[in-house]
Order: sequence, then C-alpha cells, then structure tokens
Amino acid sequence: DTEVTQTPKHLVMGMTNKKSLKCEQHMGHRAMYWYKQKAKKPPELMFVYSYEKLSINESVPSRFSPECPNSSLLNLHLHALQPEDSALYLCASSLRWDISYEQYFGPGTRLTVT
Amino acid sequence: RKEVEQDPGPFNVPEGATVAFNCTYSNSASQSFFWYRQDCRKEPKLLMSVYSSGNEDGRFTAQLNRASQYISLLIRDSKLSDSATYLCVVNEAPGTASKLTFGTGTRLQVTL
Repeated sequence: DTEVTQTPKHLVMGMTNKKSLKCEQHMGHRAMYWYKQKAKKPPELMFVYSYEKLSINESVPSRFSPECPNSSLLNLHLHALQPEDSALYLCASSLRWDISYEQYFGPGTRLTVT
Repeated sequence: RKEVEQDPGPFNVPEGATVAFNCTYSNSASQSFFWYRQDCRKEPKLLMSVYSSGNEDGRFTAQLNRASQYISLLIRDSKLSDSATYLCVVNEAPGTASKLTFGTGTRLQVTL
C-alpha cells in the first residue's frame, strides 16, 4: 500500500496564527519530504528528513518549521505566514534518501493565508 | 537553461489516439527518471519509473536515451481518464544531495 496521508485537507489562517500540517506514512519509508506547489507550477522542495534527521533545508524562511517526531510522522509548523505562502503543501516519502527511490506523495494541504 | 524541459502543451487528442511526450534534462550525471501524472488540484502520482532498457506498463511506454539526455512517454489508445498533466522528473546523482527535479509538465486533454 503506497499511501501517504495528510491533514488537514484545507486550511485558512490569518497572518498572526500558528497552525500545523501533519503527514503520516506506514510504508517503512525512512525519507520524508515537504514540497510547496503554486498553481500551474511544479512542486518545489522545502525540506528533507532522512532517518528522522533534517538533511536538506532549501533556504526556507523560518516561519516554516518542520518536525519529524518518529519515522512515520512529519509535521510542518506554520507561524506568521504571508499571503504569498498560500499554496498546496505536499508531503512525500521514499524508501531512502541516499538512493534514488520513487517518491510517493500525499494528497496535500491547500493553505490559504488571509 | 532549465534543468528539465518539457513542452507545456496542451496536447488535445481524440479518444483512442496515440500521443507522445518528450523531456530533456541537462545534468548528464542524472541517475533516475520518472513520469508522474497530476490531475487538477491533486497530488502527483507515480506513473512509472524509466529504465535504460525502456519499459512498458499496459498502454504506457517509457524510453530513456542517455546519450541525448532525453526521456519519452508514449500513451496508446488514449482514454478520457488519461487527461492530466504529465510531469517528467529526474533524480540527480545518488548520494545525500540527490533531489527530484521536476519539469513544468505537459498537459494532455483527451476528447470524445
């Protein structure tokens, strides 16, 4: 079963709010990813976790804070976002980070910042 | 030059047609290649990995030409449900710095 789940499906938040996005997979994958996708653009990598440790931060502003509590869970904490941060946030996982395995995406959280 | 280039389309084809998408990549050290499909407002879904020998999955055939740094996807007997954006994805050299590089996608619209 190649399933990655994400909650919530939709989120509307004000610029002063704090919220979190959640991602879960039970495929035994040891690499997990956050991507941001704007309309009509391809996904852009934000963070990579490998064996629960942050491996890549693609110069993402500190108002986005990732967390990997265990090998199945990945969170993205949001604080003081800007309207331009409105996008589809996708979580993905793969067997490992250091070998080119396929990545499987969750359904995403559609975020609107007002 | 973009790292992964695709014709954005849209490709409008009738049901039952054969359609081919092409993709070029700039990094000759690239190791892994994939096609994903993405429906409107949904997540990318893995369609198939692309191997050096070429591979086929039902109506879909993927080819890789390393010398020309070129990947293709052929869809035979198109169905209405094939309408989507097809993303060419390249994973550069293996190692801790490997990342997926996405093309901008080719949009396919299959019509009656």
